[in-house]
Amino acid sequence: AQTVTQSQPEMSVQEAETVTLSCTYDTSENNYYLFWYKQPPSRQMILVIRQEAYKQQNATENRFSVNFQKAAKSFSLKISDSQLGDTAMYFCAFMKLDAGNMLTFGGGTRLMVKP
Amino acid sequence: ETGVTQTPRHLVMGMTNKKSLKCEQHLGHNAMYWYKQSAKKPLELMFVYSLEERVENNSVPSRFSPECPNSSHLFLHLHTLQPEDSALYLCASSQDPAGSSYNSPLHFGNGTRLTVT
Repeated sequence: AQTVTQSQPEMSVQEAETVTLSCTYDTSENNYYLFWYKQPPSRQMILVIRQEAYKQQNATENRFSVNFQKAAKSFSLKISDSQLGDTAMYFCAFMKLDAGNMLTFGGGTRLMVKP
Repeated sequence: ETGVTQTPRHLVMGMTNKKSLKCEQHLGHNAMYWYKQSAKKPLELMFVYSLEERVENNSVPSRFSPECPNSSHLFLHLHTLQPEDSALYLCASSQDPAGSSYNSPLHFGNGTRLTVT
């Protein structure tokens, strides 16, 4: 079975600064997918960024980027130029290859962006 | 975007009540999901429906009964719940009903906050 661990229950960052959220996972699979989801106060989970394990290049989506370290089973999320709208819960998730959308989620990190 | 709509937004029920949660997706997707989000636990997958057939039942107690009458609607029927069932119940949908869904990510609703008294 897979497990996903987010070791930072809460974090804060000043507006316009950069913050990194940590995620580690445990799996015996060689090919898989990793995701970061954001859950703002509206409660809707929104996909932020995704990474294929067989790709060495780190994924980027505008101000969001990941640092994927396969050997270390680490998948951190970096948010640059933080905005007030980035305030939310952030969840890291793992999915085996061809597992449909059966994701294993971490416990989440609450991020507060301060003005 | 209101591609996935869940009702009601909040629900308070007693342990002897019977209620239903409703989810509707307007995205033309073929798969629908129920997730449970408890206060101190990671999101847990409860049920998966692919093309209106249940493909996953993740060891969920029988007091939770899903129903998928068509690819756009998903229900979660609740009866004789326990206080520990209080949680946020999230519905999601995706285009790809099976196999790799990397290019067919989940679209979530806003959830139903359930309180069992």
